Amino acid sequence: DQQVKQNSPSLSVQEGRISILNCDYTNSMFDYFLWYKKYPAEGPTFLISISSIKDKNEDGRFTVFLNKSAKHLSLHIVPSQPGDSAVYFCAAREYGNKLVFGAGTILRVKS
Amino acid sequence: NAGVMQNPRHLVRRRGQEARLRCSPMKGHSHVYWYRQLPEEGLKFMVYLQKENIIDESGMPKERFSAEFPKEGPSILRIQQVVRGDSAAYFCASSPEGGSPEQFFGPGTRLTVL
Repeated sequence: DQQVKQNSPSLSVQEGRISILNCDYTNSMFDYFLWYKKYPAEGPTFLISISSIKDKNEDGRFTVFLNKSAKHLSLHIVPSQPGDSAVYFCAAREYGNKLVFGAGTILRVKS
Repeated sequence: NAGVMQNPRHLVRRRGQEARLRCSPMKGHSHVYWYRQLPEEGLKFMVYLQKENIIDESGMPKERFSAEFPKEGPSILRIQQVVRGDSAAYFCASSPEGGSPEQFFGPGTRLTVL
């Protein structure tokens, strides 16, 4: 049972445009949601998080939106840059600090 | 200001051997987590430790896998009698006290079982 789902395996975007990565979840007890970026042969790098009591959090080019009624969150990257090309993982925190990850979305930013 | 360190980065074992994976958390972090990533999948939680204590091992296979985080030294993930299905990337993460949700990951150990 996948509690966190990233339904788009890949996304291709032109440099300078907006990248929107989506994530759905089923467990209403998650209290935080996080986005990580991962390059091949490296560990995930933390990007941004959002508390379940918020609906938006912004940090530079990255904004995360949370829609609790739809159990959906999205990561917006504006403007997209070639260096943003990586795998993006959505994760949710369960009680006790355990993170539950989605399967990831490969983002390709074309120059 | 070193990040999370893991060694070895690559480990090759034959079936039936033991694998030991090491993780040193970021300075000042007392919480350590182990995750496993199989090919084409996301990371799966295995175990959460604080110094000398296992807090949550709900993701650990019941047999052959164990983890520790001693008072001194790195956290160790130990896999006994490895099988081909154990081949994966194993990531360690750490976080400080205080309840912040962010976990900071190491570069991983890629285990290959021949």
